Amino acid sequence: QSVLTQPPSVSGTPGQTVTISCSGSSSNIGGNPVNWYQQLPGTAPKLLIYNNNERPSRVPDRFSASKSGTSASLAISGLQFEDEADYYCAAWDDSLNGSFGGGTKLTVL
Amino acid sequence: QVLLRESGPGLVQPSQTLSLTCFVSGDSMRSSDDYWGWIRQHPGRGLEWIGYIYYSGSVFYNPSLKSRVTISVDTSKNQFSLKLTSVTAADTAIYYCARDSSSWLRFDSWGQGLLVSVSS
Repeated sequence: QSVLTQPPSVSGTPGQTVTISCSGSSSNIGGNPVNWYQQLPGTAPKLLIYNNNERPSRVPDRFSASKSGTSASLAISGLQFEDEADYYCAAWDDSLNGSFGGGTKLTVL
Repeated sequence: QVLLRESGPGLVQPSQTLSLTCFVSGDSMRSSDDYWGWIRQHPGRGLEWIGYIYYSGSVFYNPSLKSRVTISVDTSKNQFSLKLTSVTAADTAIYYCARDSSSWLRFDSWGQGLLVSVSS
């Protein structure tokens, strides 16, 4: 059971904007940076967003994220078929434990 | 560009010790401020953080695995290792090593992953 809660699945059509939520508590998201990972089928996860809302240079600006209180969200605009993947939020917990969300499977219809 | 590669047996017998090594290239573990971590993913499931090590040897472990896990580093060989004792079928997973450039679960480089099955 993950301490960070994500919806199991979301879906959208090409061109749409989808959002993925990540809910935590004051001991993790509420006080520490949130990172997001994209895992394409059969591959290792890749860092998508770090420090709540910053993107590595290789990540398109269609991907954005925000944090408010004990929740965070990832938004993907201009949805493309290649965005179909699993997405994970992650945050350090003050109980000295690294926490990942349970993951959200994005389906592009 | 830092590259990481996991190495170790793909099959471990129940009650034995799982031992994996992560070889790091393109970054000197001795001179960096990075943390080096292990993460695992059970088949068809999400990611689970196992633990971190800093080049100085400071370690942090997932409390749920702490009694069975040891992570060590050999900066002279630019590698770090994972040992997980008393394994069961529940430890069957893909094991990833990764670099965290911030100690806040910012894993910016990952190995390709190694599937380890626990079975007799």
